[in-house]
Amino acid sequence: DAKTTQPTSMDCAEGRAANLPCNHSTISGNEYVYWYRQIHSQGPQYIIHGLKNNETNEMASLIITEDRKSSTLILPHATLRDTAVYYCIVRVASGSARQLTFGSGTQLTVLP
Amino acid sequence: NAGVTQTPKFQVLKTGQSMTLQCAQDMNHNSMYWYRQDPGMGLRLIYYSASEGTTDKGEVPNGYNVSRLNKREFSLRLESAAPSQTSVYFCASSENRQETQYFGPGTRLLVL
Repeated sequence: DAKTTQPTSMDCAEGRAANLPCNHSTISGNEYVYWYRQIHSQGPQYIIHGLKNNETNEMASLIITEDRKSSTLILPHATLRDTAVYYCIVRVASGSARQLTFGSGTQLTVLP
Repeated sequence: NAGVTQTPKFQVLKTGQSMTLQCAQDMNHNSMYWYRQDPGMGLRLIYYSASEGTTDKGEVPNGYNVSRLNKREFSLRLESAAPSQTSVYFCASSENRQETQYFGPGTRLLVL
């Protein structure tokens, strides 16, 4: 699985959009970009994933650059409950890959 | 629909004691996983079960055994607990081996 690079921490004002970047310059053509988050002391929570096209669900939007070397997770209206560590993971969606490799992630703090 | 449930939530053991961590999912998923997470570190895969009746070692299997009791349940056993096994243990499940993984709330284990 390709390596990812994320900022260590970010702050965001409550009600504003939170934009979390991720670099994955060595991504392969068959690798997806996944985002998970972990709220303190809880299990990781799946947010969204994508291959090439931008994706949106009820939680967030995922913007992947055309060259696929970076992506941005967007929480459109951040709330205090969105304070968590956000993990960007790149992995194949077929074959023998089975473990999710969580890096150090980005600590997002939503400020009142 | 409870998702992934784990019992117990907390446990304190003495060195050498044994215990079993229980995990169950009600999403009819084929694959299940056990991870451990140590302070300030990412998740590391202990064992996984790609489908009912099969189990395979992950990154850190030593000192653990697993049982895929049926499609719903996947247990993790510590035969002789050691202080190095103090950690938070997460169970996860996915529809298939490469699909999105959904996590339980975790079991916090302290071995004295």
